[in-house]
Amino acid sequence: RKEVEQDPGPFNVPEGATVAFNCTYSNSASQSFFWYRQDCRKEPKLLMSVYSSGNEDGRFTAQLNRASQYISLLIRDSKLSDSATYLCVVTNTGGFKTIFGAGTRLFVKA
Amino acid sequence: NAGVTQTPKFQVLKTGQSMTLQCAQDMNHEYMSWYRQDPGMGLRLIHYSVGAGITDQGEVPNGYNVSRSTTEDFPLRLLSAAPSQTSVYFCASSPDRVSWAQYFGPGTRLLVL
Repeated sequence: RKEVEQDPGPFNVPEGATVAFNCTYSNSASQSFFWYRQDCRKEPKLLMSVYSSGNEDGRFTAQLNRASQYISLLIRDSKLSDSATYLCVVTNTGGFKTIFGAGTRLFVKA
Repeated sequence: NAGVTQTPKFQVLKTGQSMTLQCAQDMNHEYMSWYRQDPGMGLRLIHYSVGAGITDQGEVPNGYNVSRSTTEDFPLRLLSAAPSQTSVYFCASSPDRVSWAQYFGPGTRLLVL
């Protein structure tokens, strides 16, 4: 079993749709959680950190459920520019071991 | 600030050749890492450094060496290139051990024939 698992997608949605990404992790000692965005042939870029209390940044909402070892990202009112691969990232004890999920590809269509 | 820079952008090697991938950051970050990204597998940690003079192995260190003589630079050396090392290599830096948010360079695409 992979340490961080994501739905491989791709997700194809129309502009304006709400889309949810899910991620599970296997190490209960994981400390920090993130969502990164990666455009085609580009480097990953930090989108959001994820906190137990949940956090929101504009159209993006991230949630963490430690009991279920589950992380989510919700994008509301999707834009064409949201088309990218979304990576779930977990940092384990000491922060030295960062595990990336394989990513979920999103296509937003006009 | 230039952020995290990597050179070269592209490289073709023959099996058995050696080379160094360069990485530099101008943000005075303590923590730096090297990852490789292969289709369908996500990024995998090769080596990391928590400060000048300190390095350690990640998930897939075999065939690679690193050194960290300064805060700014973190080169990755391929000792004897193999086709299995064909990949995209990303260098990243992180400012602190509280958030562990990472900032990535643009990557180096390596093809080993």
